[in-house]
Amino acid sequence: ETGVTQSPTHLIKTRGQQVTLRCSSQSGHNTVSWYQQALGQGPQFIFQYYREEENGRGNFPPRFSGLQFPNYSSELNVNALELDDSALYLCASSLRSSYNSPLHFGNGTRLTVT
Amino acid sequence: GDSVTQMEGPVTLSEEAFLTINCTYTATGYPSLFWYVQYPGEGLQLLLKATKADDKGSNKGFEATYRKETTSFHLEKGSVQVSDSAVYFCALIKGSGGYNKLIFGAGTRLAVHP
Repeated sequence: ETGVTQSPTHLIKTRGQQVTLRCSSQSGHNTVSWYQQALGQGPQFIFQYYREEENGRGNFPPRFSGLQFPNYSSELNVNALELDDSALYLCASSLRSSYNSPLHFGNGTRLTVT
Repeated sequence: GDSVTQMEGPVTLSEEAFLTINCTYTATGYPSLFWYVQYPGEGLQLLLKATKADDKGSNKGFEATYRKETTSFHLEKGSVQVSDSAVYFCALIKGSGGYNKLIFGAGTRLAVHP
C-alpha cells in the first residue's frame, strides 16, 4: 500500500512569486485535503477536493487554489506569495464514503518565503 | 466556533514515567476525536481515535477516553520511552456541507530523557 507522497520536500520562494505543491494520494483514496501548519502551531484546513472539485474551504484567500486529477493526485497553488505563507503544507487523503474515515498525511512541503 | 485546546508544552519526562496530555474541545454535536503524532521532520500520523462518548481509543500503549460530560479526550501512557519524543496533536473532525475537516489543537511537545 503506497502512502501519501508530497513534492518537493523543501522550497524557497520570494515574496510575490507563485508556487505549486504536489501530492499523490494513498492508493484507493478519493478525497484529498490540504492543511497549512505554521511554525509551532497546529495544522489549519485550507480546502478539500473530491471528484476533481473543491467541496470545502477554510479561511484562506482566493490566491490559494487547488486541483485534483482523475488519478486523485492533487496540486496546491499559491499566488502572490507573502512572508506569512511560510509554513509546512500538508496533504492528506481519505475515503469520502465515511466522514469518520481517518486522514492519512504526507510528510509535507516546507515552504519558505523571503 | 468549534475548537480544541491542549495543555502547553514542552512536557519533559524521564523514561518510564507516566504521561498525561490534556485536551478539551468545544463543538456542536458529537464529533469524532483523534490524537495525531508528529515526529521530527515528518507529517502527522494517526495515533488513536474515538467516535462516540465513553469510547476508549488505544494504540502503542497510548490511550484516551472520550468524555462527553467534561468535553475532554486526555492522552495517557503508563511508561514513556525516548522514542515517544514528538509533538502530539488533539483534533476533532467536523463534517459540513458534504466535506469534513480536522480541527487541531496547537500541539504539545513531549521530550523523554533516558
